[in-house]
Amino acid sequence: GQNIDQPTEMTATEGAIVQINCTYQTSGFNGLFWYQQHAGEAPTFLSYNVLDGLEEKGRFSSFLSRSKGYSYLLLKELQMKDSASYLCAHQNFVFGPGTRLSVLP
Amino acid sequence: DSGVTQTPKHLITATGQRVTLRCSPRSGDLSVYWYQQSLDQGLQFLIQYYNGEERAKGNILERFSAQQFPDLHSELNLSSLELGDSALYFCASSPRDIRGTNTGELFFGEGSRLTVL
Repeated sequence: GQNIDQPTEMTATEGAIVQINCTYQTSGFNGLFWYQQHAGEAPTFLSYNVLDGLEEKGRFSSFLSRSKGYSYLLLKELQMKDSASYLCAHQNFVFGPGTRLSVLP
Repeated sequence: DSGVTQTPKHLITATGQRVTLRCSPRSGDLSVYWYQQSLDQGLQFLIQYYNGEERAKGNILERFSAQQFPDLHSELNLSSLELGDSALYFCASSPRDIRGTNTGELFFGEGSRLTVL
């Protein structure tokens, strides 16, 4: 089967750091993607992990542990515009339910 | 702009009707994916085509069908529409096949918002 779990909602304060977790089960694995989706808009690509470890990209970093079926997206120096849903997806492009992040002033 | 074009942007129709949603992938991309996103729900994978061939099928209803044409554009046909079919339908493209070792990121169109009354 291909199951992906994420927290439904998270709230954080502007300027803070937030970690969004994603756990997955899949019969085949070729990488884990993170996408950002603002309400009513198209998802946009954030990051891709195929090997264990941390990938850093500016304010956003993503971590993967294949043995644990676990990934997280780390957002630093949060800005109001980061309020959005964050979706993890594994290589077969099955998406998790998404985590709605609200950034408060 | 992702380079993926979807039409129409908005569509309102009645139950029992049939509609066709159209998608033009990014130039050079051979794979097209269709997703359904109901209000406040996640992206539900429907179907994927690669260079004209169906390659993967997700939770697509029998009332729905799709195809990819030789020019690589794709159409999603929704028939016998029900109220629950109201959703945002996204098309995405990528350069490689879903069965490859690295399909690459997906580039999403702006979506077609379908309202069934």
